[in-house]
Parts: sequence; structure tokens; C-alpha cells
Amino acid sequence: DSGVTQTPKHLITATGQRVTLRCSPRSGDLSVYWYQQSLDQGLQFLIQYYNGEERAKGNILERFSAQQFPDLHSELNLSSLELGDSALYFCASSVTQGAAEAFFGQGTRLTVV
Amino acid sequence: GEDVEQSLFLSVREGDSSVINCTYTDSSSTYLYWYKQEPGAGLQLLTYIFSNMDMKQDQRLTVLLNKKDKHLSLRIADTQTGDSAIYFCAGWGNQGGKLIFGQGTELSVKP
Repeated sequence: DSGVTQTPKHLITATGQRVTLRCSPRSGDLSVYWYQQSLDQGLQFLIQYYNGEERAKGNILERFSAQQFPDLHSELNLSSLELGDSALYFCASSVTQGAAEAFFGQGTRLTVV
Repeated sequence: GEDVEQSLFLSVREGDSSVINCTYTDSSSTYLYWYKQEPGAGLQLLTYIFSNMDMKQDQRLTVLLNKKDKHLSLRIADTQTGDSAIYFCAGWGNQGGKLIFGQGTELSVKP
């Protein structure tokens, strides 16, 4: 158990819908990262937050947004879902950013039908 | 830009050593990591090496780092069927904002 908790584990939804994925980092970790893993794209970095502030942005679509709350948990919002958004979404956390061990949650498997 | 590359597949026999290779372009990573992903599971941090080290050994795992060639390898001694998984190497991208992953190497261990 990495100490990073993601909910839900599985999510099936229809195209055009909106979903929210939740991540609770390890106790004491200030940095949260979101990744998307799909068969054709591999592990793609989406976005990073550090102590509530956005710090780095990767290949995140405009239909996607995220935030980190004062209690340090984070949510990834995916809207106007398309079939191609079906993927495994991982959250990771680390104490600081860069040069630190990052621990991953078990992921949320999103299926868009 | 930042890039991390790995070979996609490796097949070994149980009891043999496995060597998984990785090359990277960004030399600013302070640490380089190896993660393991079993089927249907998340990413498990296996080991990491500080960029000023050449080698790190952790039980059956040996990490070798050649900074000049920007080459990282993971050797698994006495490979077991339970080692079958996808192995990702990773390093921090510029300014530490994101962990960049290779495509993953699928290790298949045959009895």
C-alpha cells in the first residue's frame, strides 16, 4: 500500500458526461501529480499541484481541470467525455517536487461508452 | 524536449538475470527511478538512484547509471515468475515539475 488513495476504482460513464476523480495523498506529502495511462499513449503527465497551487502542466486537455484543496486532497474533473478519454488515471504524491520519491495510487479506470 | 526510452519487451527464463535498459535525454534529473506495474495494478516504486552514483544494489535489484551516455539499467537477479510485469524508468523533467516515464518494458518470465 503506497498510502495514496484514489476513488473510485472504476467508473463507467457515457459520452458527453462529466466525472470527478479524487485523490488523497500520503500523509505529509504536499505535491500531487495526475497521470493518464492509455494503451496508445503510455503514461502521460497531466498536471501537478504543490500545496494548493498549480505548478506544472502537461498534456492536459481543456475539457479537463484539477485542483488541490487546503487539506491537500486533489480532484481531477473530466468533462464532455469522449470515447478516447477511456484510460487509467493515476494520482501520485511526493513530499516536495523534483528529486523526491513519488508514490502512486492504484488508479481509477475510466470507461466511456 | 525531455524523453525517456525503453525497449518494449523482454523475455527470460526463471532463475536467469534480467536486464532492462533505459535511455534519457534530460540530464538535470537529480534522481532516476524504476517503477513496476503488475497487471491491473498501480505503479510501485521499486528503487531509485541519485544522479551522482554509478550503481545501487537493493537485494535482487541492481541499478546502473552511466551519466555520460545517459543510460540507466535495472538488473534483476534470479528472476522469478512473480517478477513478470511492466517496468518503467522515470526521471524528473526540467525544473522538477513532472516525472517523465519511458514507455515501459514488459518482462515475461517463463518457467
